[in-house]
Amino acid sequence: EAGVAQSPRYKIIEKRQSVAFWCNPISGHATLYWYQQILGQGPKLLIQFQNNGVVDDSQLPKDRFSAERLKGVDSTLKIQPAKLEDSAVYLCASSFTSGDNEQFFGPGTRLTVL
Amino acid sequence: DQQVKQNSPSLSVQEGRISILNCDYTNSMFDYFLWYKKYPAEGPTFLISISSIKDKNEDGRFTVFLNKSAKHLSLHIVPSQPGDSAVYFCAALTTNLGNEKLTFGTGTRLTIIP
Repeated sequence: EAGVAQSPRYKIIEKRQSVAFWCNPISGHATLYWYQQILGQGPKLLIQFQNNGVVDDSQLPKDRFSAERLKGVDSTLKIQPAKLEDSAVYLCASSFTSGDNEQFFGPGTRLTVL
Repeated sequence: DQQVKQNSPSLSVQEGRISILNCDYTNSMFDYFLWYKKYPAEGPTFLISISSIKDKNEDGRFTVFLNKSAKHLSLHIVPSQPGDSAVYFCAALTTNLGNEKLTFGTGTRLTIIP
């Protein structure tokens, strides 16, 4: 079974630029999550999708972050414009259903904002 | 507001001995707890979990203990092996909210000394 795929693995941009991350969840997993992990901290949930609908985006900074999952499979997370404090690892995770407590994580995208 | 706390940022244990990683939480609504293991440049991988209706769950070398009155859980690894060297995250969630928002601790870096 293929795991959660993410790309790119690394990205370096200057502040005020835009960036997008892509995630392909495990086949058949209806629920998809985006987490932000700042160095020295645990992952923090940004947004949760159930199929192509948003379940929870309460911690997503909506003035600069956006995410979509148009066909209920792949998802993209965008930051526009980026700030220095956005430097972090962005993790995508998926689970079979919304009632499944085990989430499977991708390798993450390490973003550095200069 | 750190609802899940791992107060030891690092721990070193000799190979063959027991590793004990601790986690405290403040939110009494949490009713399901998970431990994730993370190697460098990889996403977290699920290790073991426990429901609040139990006080112990065992899986091979890994045992998780839950003390609800103290709002404390611990992960025991015995015997510890070099491959156990990783960062361990404690995570918690409330299962009846309609989402599976994981709240993570800040992690403990475990180093197994050969």
